[in-house]
Amino acid sequence: GAGVSQSPSNKVTEKGKDVELRCDPISGHTALYWYRQSLGQGLEFLIYFQGNSAPDKSGLPSDRFSAERTGGSVSTLTIQRTQQEDSAVYLCASSLEAGGRETQYFGPGTRLLVL
Amino acid sequence: AQSVTQLDSQVPVFEEAPVELRCNYSSSVSVYLFWYVQYPNQGLQLLLKYLSGSTLVKGINGFEAEFNKSQTSFHLRKPSVHISDTAEYFCAVSDWGAQKLVFGQGTRLTINP
Repeated sequence: GAGVSQSPSNKVTEKGKDVELRCDPISGHTALYWYRQSLGQGLEFLIYFQGNSAPDKSGLPSDRFSAERTGGSVSTLTIQRTQQEDSAVYLCASSLEAGGRETQYFGPGTRLLVL
Repeated sequence: AQSVTQLDSQVPVFEEAPVELRCNYSSSVSVYLFWYVQYPNQGLQLLLKYLSGSTLVKGINGFEAEFNKSQTSFHLRKPSVHISDTAEYFCAVSDWGAQKLVFGQGTRLTINP
């Protein structure tokens, strides 16, 4: 079956612009996660959704970052007023249910470059 | 807070040689443990995971890992590597009751012919 898909695969933007990154989880997966992979920080957790609610937003680095999930499916990560330090690969993952023992299935990522 | 240490950032080995990639985690709280692999220009793929029971876990592509609670380690091993194993390997931990994965910095495995 189809895996997790993310769009766009690459995004180049200018400092100060807003960007939206999209994630389509595996059909039927109730939990969805966003992570960021950067050279200096490695792989960092950003936010987690159970259904449409986000019980854990602890990893969002600033109030410029927000995310939503609609219909228990697609999620959008929005970065406002982008900064150069936001350049990274943004990874989305989904799991059948929430819980630490569940396998998270990752998408290919969106590579964001802020000039 | 939980943290994960992968002791080697790069590991070069010859083809058909054995390899061990080391992973240690910080918290003594009960945990779930994972190894993911990232091939060049691809997303993360699960190699294996430890949830409970036998401390030796077998995964895909001939990899295995051993959970050692007293040493808070979860080292990944393969008895004979192939060129196709060239990739970056990430160890990850999830605390019981938590949802997120905490990742190590990754180990880049390079296989030389």
